[in-house]
Amino acid sequence: DAGITQSPRYKITETGRQVTLMCHQTWSHSYMFWYRQDLGHGLRLIYYSAAADITDKGEVPDGYVVSRSKTENFPLTLESATRSQTSVYFCASSPWGRGLGELFFGEGSRLTVL
Amino acid sequence: AQKVTQAQTEISVVEKEDVTLDCVYETRDTTYYLFWYKQPPSGELVFLIRRNSFDEQNEISGRYSWNFQKSTSSFNFTITASQVVDSAVYFCALSEEYGGSQGNLIFGKGTKLSVKP
Repeated sequence: DAGITQSPRYKITETGRQVTLMCHQTWSHSYMFWYRQDLGHGLRLIYYSAAADITDKGEVPDGYVVSRSKTENFPLTLESATRSQTSVYFCASSPWGRGLGELFFGEGSRLTVL
Repeated sequence: AQKVTQAQTEISVVEKEDVTLDCVYETRDTTYYLFWYKQPPSGELVFLIRRNSFDEQNEISGRYSWNFQKSTSSFNFTITASQVVDSAVYFCALSEEYGGSQGNLIFGKGTKLSVKP
């Protein structure tokens, strides 16, 4: 019962480098989400996906790219990392759309961009 | 536009005190859902409760209780007889049935609760 796992849990990178954060869920949930958590901002939605091959922007999508070729995976890529992308990133999944149920969160990935 | 406001940034109490965390929301939808999550120092997000807009009954779960009032657009969370293990950041969140993204949550900025022995 792995649930939802994120990797890496901790990452340090340099400005301009490409970074991919992985998210894998074992429940076959249709909906998946990427949030970032920053002090003073709470959690903000970056991208979400309603199903494989269906993705859409959230509140703060600039500088990020996502894909979802398989239901269980939802990687988040920073194509050219910037210091402002230093944050804790949470992946979440849900079998329900339209807020019908809670989101199930991964443990988070702490990214530091130097 | 949807919005969640948690006006209390930090609260500090002594063990066994009761504490209420405030949450005020804004939405244009008539059908919406409200949530509370707990984030302990270890960092994970723990789901506490979900409430839909048609159910204004208060809920009690052990030392936790929630007061939902549509008239004031509030969904407050009370911990009775607080314990050190309650120390965490608590997030209130909103999801609309028809507005915004599909099923995502709009989070407040969180309230950090410190319970001292």
